[in-house]
Amino acid sequence: DARVTQTPRDKVTEMGQEVTMRCQPILGHNTVFWYRQTMMQGLELLAYFRNRAPLDDSGMPKDRFSAEMPDATLATLKIQPSEPRDSAVYFCASGLNDRGPSLPNYNEQFFGPGTRLTVL
Amino acid sequence: AQSVTQLGSHVSVSEGALVLLRCNYSSSVPPYLFWYVQYPNQGLQLLLKYTSAATLVKGINGFEAEFKKSETSFHLTKPSAHMSDAAEYFCAVTAAGANNLFFGTGTRLTIIP
Repeated sequence: DARVTQTPRDKVTEMGQEVTMRCQPILGHNTVFWYRQTMMQGLELLAYFRNRAPLDDSGMPKDRFSAEMPDATLATLKIQPSEPRDSAVYFCASGLNDRGPSLPNYNEQFFGPGTRLTVL
Repeated sequence: AQSVTQLGSHVSVSEGALVLLRCNYSSSVPPYLFWYVQYPNQGLQLLLKYTSAATLVKGINGFEAEFKKSETSFHLTKPSAHMSDAAEYFCAVTAAGANNLFFGTGTRLTIIP
């Protein structure tokens, strides 16, 4: 049963500390998405990649957030320095955006369980 | 560009009653439409999807949705609500050539015993 995995599941840290969240997409998927979910803002798209290249990170605060894909099996989201307003659940999702020249891409996304971040 | 609007951020129904969650979409090209469900402390999981085949789509847990082009709607229904249906439901849209899903703001469904 292929699933997106995320680590850690829970993270409590103090303001100013660096936080790194990791995501392992489903094997064979070529798109990876990072979302943030809060009660106030709902589900927000932070950044996404296709074939490991960043396509859009306009939803991400550039001064403190960074997202990378060191290889096809790992995506990372880093916050440095962290602030209390970064407290949220961060979700990673993966999908397949290249089903072949004759098949449409539905952009279906498979979500991980999330990382609950609390910044004190 | 595509977008969806979910009417009603909170919906309450009695156990055994009809569930109706509303979603209207905007798309300049034929859309693909999705409903995702999020149970407490979990990620989103796919409930059902419309990919231009049958307009009435059946999903997991007894849910179904009907694509109505004339109304630009993709409402989610279930004939009889169960306590386990309490969750947040997200409608999403994409289209050929897009790289991404565009999510609605979600509807929290509460089931009254």
